[in-house]
Amino acid sequence: AQKVTQAQTEISVVEKEDVTLDCVYETRDTTYYLFWYKQPPSGELVFLIRRNSFDEQNEISGRYSWNFQKSTSSFNFTITASQVVDSAVYFCASPGDAGNMLTFGGGTRLMVKP
Amino acid sequence: NAGVTQTPKFRVLKTGQSMTLLCAQDMNHEYMYWYRQDPGMGLRLIHYSVGEGTTAKGEVPDGYNVSRLKKQNFLLGLESAAPSQTSVYFCASSYSDLTDTQYFGPGTRLTVL
Repeated sequence: AQKVTQAQTEISVVEKEDVTLDCVYETRDTTYYLFWYKQPPSGELVFLIRRNSFDEQNEISGRYSWNFQKSTSSFNFTITASQVVDSAVYFCASPGDAGNMLTFGGGTRLMVKP
Repeated sequence: NAGVTQTPKFRVLKTGQSMTLLCAQDMNHEYMYWYRQDPGMGLRLIHYSVGEGTTAKGEVPDGYNVSRLKKQNFLLGLESAAPSQTSVYFCASSYSDLTDTQYFGPGTRLTVL
């Protein structure tokens, strides 16, 4: 995707609430890939999911789920029953136009309060 | 498997000093990358390599050099550090090209005084 936008810069929820992080992409390609990464306070970048444009099935992994909708160019991430350990910055990313770069969205900082 | 490791974890330099950051991966990945992460700027690609002996420029290559003499290692050099290079540096690797998942190292926090 040529551009990835995460409009929510910061979200604060109380533990056990559900929360959805938005990711909107722009692309001229018919084949493209989208990723989500988590960056906890410790600083490392943790891979969460990779999705290609041919697979529009929603993905669920434990409390995490992803909703890929081509019609709205979105690849949103939902955490169900959030926990304090989910507090992190979450990045959506996609290979960019130049073919040699992974373009990251600006990130959404999620704070889960006990 | 250790995955992607970076050395050192922290470093403080004075302006004009040089240093080398080491990235190592044990996943037999072909592609390796160096990014920098700055507040408000997100992650930006500095240099990358598509295989042993190859390197290429990314989005912000100025002031940095890289080498990939061995498949498992990717070195990032700063010949004459500047305060603008104060940042957190991440190395990543992937099995194939950008459509494949990149796995990141823990990062190196560099401060240039």
